[in-house]
Amino acid sequence: DAGVIQSPRHEVTEMGQEVTLRCKPISGHDYLFWYRQTMMRGLELLIYFNNNVPIDDSGMPEDRFSAKMPNASFSTLKIQPSEPRDSAVYFCASSCWTEPWGTEAFFGQGTRLTVV
Amino acid sequence: ELKVEQNPLFLSMQEGKNYTIYCNYSTTSDRLYWYRQDPGKSLESLFVLLSNGAVKQEGRLMASLDTKARLSTLHITAAVHDLSATYFCALPGGTKTSYDKVIFGPGTSLSVIP
Repeated sequence: DAGVIQSPRHEVTEMGQEVTLRCKPISGHDYLFWYRQTMMRGLELLIYFNNNVPIDDSGMPEDRFSAKMPNASFSTLKIQPSEPRDSAVYFCASSCWTEPWGTEAFFGQGTRLTVV
Repeated sequence: ELKVEQNPLFLSMQEGKNYTIYCNYSTTSDRLYWYRQDPGKSLESLFVLLSNGAVKQEGRLMASLDTKARLSTLHITAAVHDLSATYFCALPGGTKTSYDKVIFGPGTSLSVIP
């Protein structure tokens, strides 16, 4: 398997524009996590899905953020409108709950978002 | 809500020396994960610790878990430059309805100098 695939790897956009980040999880994994990493706040869990269903979106910072998982092999994280404070590295991770390992997450390469 | 702390947050150590990174967490957990992140890169899983007293070793790194103390340690033996990275501990956390989400500590940035 190629691992978790994220696109784009880098995104530079102007404030107010819509940004869509994409993620393809590892085949067979039924959990998908979106994290945001910044120097100030570290690694924050934004939202996670189980079997394509959002389970916990309490980490989504504002209504400007939305995430979907239309099928088992694809998820998007959308920011509309984007703001400079959204600049961060966004990671997607996937896992498969197995006993006894639980949800050991496997990460994609991340999308570095810069909003100017 | 689960809280995860690590110390130190920054560590500069000489090659050949030993040191320990600590991970404390606030609620009961039966498993703990350690990850490594190289600068500008993604996170890579290092260890999964599954029970009280569990010990895992890979090269110069050894991780242990004490569930009663809610403490995990990552011990570095005879450090080499290649170990320079940020190390995160993580646990399943949150509410009963979202136990399976993974919460990360703040990370320990390790720099090994000659």
